[in-house]
Amino acid sequence: EDQVTQSPEALRLQEGESSSLNCSYTVSGLRGLFWYRQDPGKGPEFLFTLYSAGEEKEKERLKATLTKKESFLHITAPKPEDSATYLCAVQVERNDYKLSFGAGTTVTVRA
Amino acid sequence: GAGVSQTPSNKVTEKGKYVELRCDPISGHTALYWYRQSLGQGPEFLIYFQGTGAADDSGLPNDRFFAVRPEGSVSTLKIQRTERGDSAVYLCASSATRDRVSSTEAFFGQGTRLTVV
Repeated sequence: EDQVTQSPEALRLQEGESSSLNCSYTVSGLRGLFWYRQDPGKGPEFLFTLYSAGEEKEKERLKATLTKKESFLHITAPKPEDSATYLCAVQVERNDYKLSFGAGTTVTVRA
Repeated sequence: GAGVSQTPSNKVTEKGKYVELRCDPISGHTALYWYRQSLGQGPEFLIYFQGTGAADDSGLPNDRFFAVRPEGSVSTLKIQRTERGDSAVYLCASSATRDRVSSTEAFFGQGTRLTVV
């Protein structure tokens, strides 16, 4: 069975204090790994898709990386507006339309 | 519309009642998905439509849940004889037709918060 585990569950940062979120996965036939951001009362907002080990993608203060077992979301010099829950999801070859999500990491950035 | 629209935003219903949740996908998106999100958890897959047909409904928890997409655009998730355990946020997403080279990201609506009392 596909498993996606995110850590930590919650992360409190001071503005400007860089950190990383972890997403470890156990799947058969990874097609893609997705990162989403979710604000309270809203639906998930797409950030990145990574397809192969070694791939990296960046968007503003966020950088996502992928290995064969895990993905990291690095937040560089975060601002209060980066506060949100970050969700990781995997898509596998045998049903390449379904996203299997982790439970998320809730990030709070204090000014 | 510009994004995926879900109505209502909130729904409170009594145990045993029937509810319908509506999803308007992004115009032109052929793929539509329903997910359910409980507090503190990530979304869980319920059903996937490609066009009008349900290509995969394996995530529907039991036969009280049913979804339709009769014209390949708007979809309705229907829940019969609601139970307190059905309380959750129901999310709809849509995506463009995928090629076999890359996955096309799914765009989510804001969700319908269902509370069964």
